[in-house]
Amino acid sequence: DGGITQSPKYLFRKEGQNVTLSCEQNLNHDAMYWYRQDPGQGLRLIYYSQIVNDFQKGDIAEGYSVSREKKESFPLTVTSAQKNPTAFYLCASMGTSSYEQYFGPGTRLTVT
Amino acid sequence: DQQVKQNSPSLSVQEGRISILNCDYTNSMFDYFLWYKKYPAEGPTFLISISSIKDKNEDGRFTVFLNKSAKHLSLHIVPSQPGDSAVYFCAALPSAGGTSYGKLTFGQGTILTVHP
Repeated sequence: DGGITQSPKYLFRKEGQNVTLSCEQNLNHDAMYWYRQDPGQGLRLIYYSQIVNDFQKGDIAEGYSVSREKKESFPLTVTSAQKNPTAFYLCASMGTSSYEQYFGPGTRLTVT
Repeated sequence: DQQVKQNSPSLSVQEGRISILNCDYTNSMFDYFLWYKKYPAEGPTFLISISSIKDKNEDGRFTVFLNKSAKHLSLHIVPSQPGDSAVYFCAALPSAGGTSYGKLTFGQGTILTVHP
């Protein structure tokens, strides 16, 4: 069945290491999004991509990078430049028939 | 600058009663609004949406009201059930088109607890 997968569910890294979070969708959606959620806060947009080989910075892009080489995949790299990387990361996609974004189950990243 | 605000961090309601979750926005370019429900350690799931050309949209137990002049929307859940206990986020979209297409802005969320 169609949906969005994010792996792994939990990820632990040492400070100073880059880490890549996976996001795959089989909904045939053109647009994909990355958000982070911190305790007591809403979801904040990191990066988004409306089409393959194109992406835009969101509100908090510093310290992150993305690529969109395939329609189905939108990996997010959390670099060592991100000052507070520990958070819950959510990937979403959206088709052209509605404004509803479908979310994956999320990845909780802990950096120590 | 919080463009979408949910001023109540939490709401507690008795089963069978009405739950009213509120959301305010400041950006007059927003013209489409969505409500999402989220359980801990899971992704949000879409509940209901409303376009700015409407002032009400209903889907089963869920109704969203939009007051454009007040830049305010609310989600009503009637009757509330214990399974409704979750975090509820409102989100707003600017006018369609351009690089802002699909760029949702979320509120901080309201934790709803429905007691049996």
